[in-house]
Amino acid sequence: GAGVSQSPSNKVTEKGKDVELRCDPISGHTALYWYRQSLGQGLEFLIYFQGNSAPDKSGLPSDRFSAERTGGSVSTLTIQRTQQEDSAVYLCASSLEGVSRQPQHFGDGTRLSIL
Amino acid sequence: GENVGLHLPTLSVQEGDNSIINCAYSNSASDYFIWYKQESGKGPQFIIDIRSNMDKRQGQRVTVLLNKTVKHLSLQIAATQPGDSAVYFCAPTGGSNYKLTFGKGTLLTVNP
Repeated sequence: GAGVSQSPSNKVTEKGKDVELRCDPISGHTALYWYRQSLGQGLEFLIYFQGNSAPDKSGLPSDRFSAERTGGSVSTLTIQRTQQEDSAVYLCASSLEGVSRQPQHFGDGTRLSIL
Repeated sequence: GENVGLHLPTLSVQEGDNSIINCAYSNSASDYFIWYKQESGKGPQFIIDIRSNMDKRQGQRVTVLLNKTVKHLSLQIAATQPGDSAVYFCAPTGGSNYKLTFGKGTLLTVNP
């Protein structure tokens, strides 16, 4: 079946520009997560959506980062006024339910490079 | 936060051999453990999981062993193939914690 789909797969942009990353979770998965992965930094949690509940935004590194999930399905992560330290792989994951004992399934990520 | 460490950052094996990848964790509240495989340029791929009420779980060519006493788990891959070459991560979670944490990972290289 279809897995988590992310687009674009690669994004190169100039410092100061805004970027929008998209995630299409596995059909039927109510929980959606955004992470950031960079060399030497491991996996960094950004934000979590579960159904109609208020999202957990505790991992967003600054107010330049925001995310939304429309209709309980597709999510977009927006980074405004990008900085070079934003360069990383942005991973989206989804799981069947928003509880800790369900595996999260990842997309292949968006590789973001800020020039 | 979770302190997740791996004993061997790199592991090189011959095709056909069995591989063992180890993972130590520090949070005794962890009760659900996931192993992921990540190939270059791709996202982490779910391999197998295990809950803390189990000591062993088997999948296709993979076995995960959990020792809660010493907070250690391992991933065993039988008859390792070149396609198994990747970085492997363990991700302990537990309770209401849905935020996955990976350690540095173990790079497995399979030599033909």
